[in-house]
Amino acid sequence: AQSVTQLDSQVPVFEEAPVELRCNYSSSVSVYLFWYVQYPNQGLQLLLKYLSGSTLVKSINGFEAEFNKSQTSFHLRKPSVHISDTAEYFCAVSDPGNTGFQKLVFGTGTRLLVSP
Amino acid sequence: EAGVTQFPSHSVIEKGQTVTLRCDPISGHDNLYWYRRVMGKEIKFLLHFVKESKQDESGMPNNRFLAERTGGTYSTLKVQPAELEDSGVYFCASSQERGSGYTFGSGTRLTVV
Repeated sequence: AQSVTQLDSQVPVFEEAPVELRCNYSSSVSVYLFWYVQYPNQGLQLLLKYLSGSTLVKSINGFEAEFNKSQTSFHLRKPSVHISDTAEYFCAVSDPGNTGFQKLVFGTGTRLLVSP
Repeated sequence: EAGVTQFPSHSVIEKGQTVTLRCDPISGHDNLYWYRRVMGKEIKFLLHFVKESKQDESGMPNNRFLAERTGGTYSTLKVQPAELEDSGVYFCASSQERGSGYTFGSGTRLTVV
């Protein structure tokens, strides 16, 4: 069964500094990868996803993640964070599977705390 | 379009009572999923509906949990009787196409005291 590891439960960072949130998943022949974000008092929102093609995927608010098959990683990065990026970030993986149904397996989440 | 709607947003009940959570998916989305996050732990899959049929309920914790999806539209998740360990945030999600990523609701925070 798939598993996802987010080693950092909390990442404090100053505004305008770069950040990397780490995500590793257990090996599989092929996977779909996702990053979800949960802002305070809100639901989960899809931040970005990797399904196929270019290994570098980007979100509209400046985040990017790179699929690294050899290291089974999908780390999330942003070159300069803003106070409004304070949230909890979840990495998730799914198997495309024979039936086409993808059950998402989540990591335990990483709280990004951006301070001025 | 309207998003995935869940209610109530919060529920506090006593151990042994019954609670019913509701999820309204995005109109036209055949796939509906329930997930749960127990405090501080990962978000875990509970079950998946395709229209009104249960496609996969392998994540349901035990027989105190009953999920239904009336007419392939909204879904309910009933916990009867509730136990302390059922506390957590219950998320519903829906999707139209496989592999496109889900749209999640805001979740229902259930507290059993």
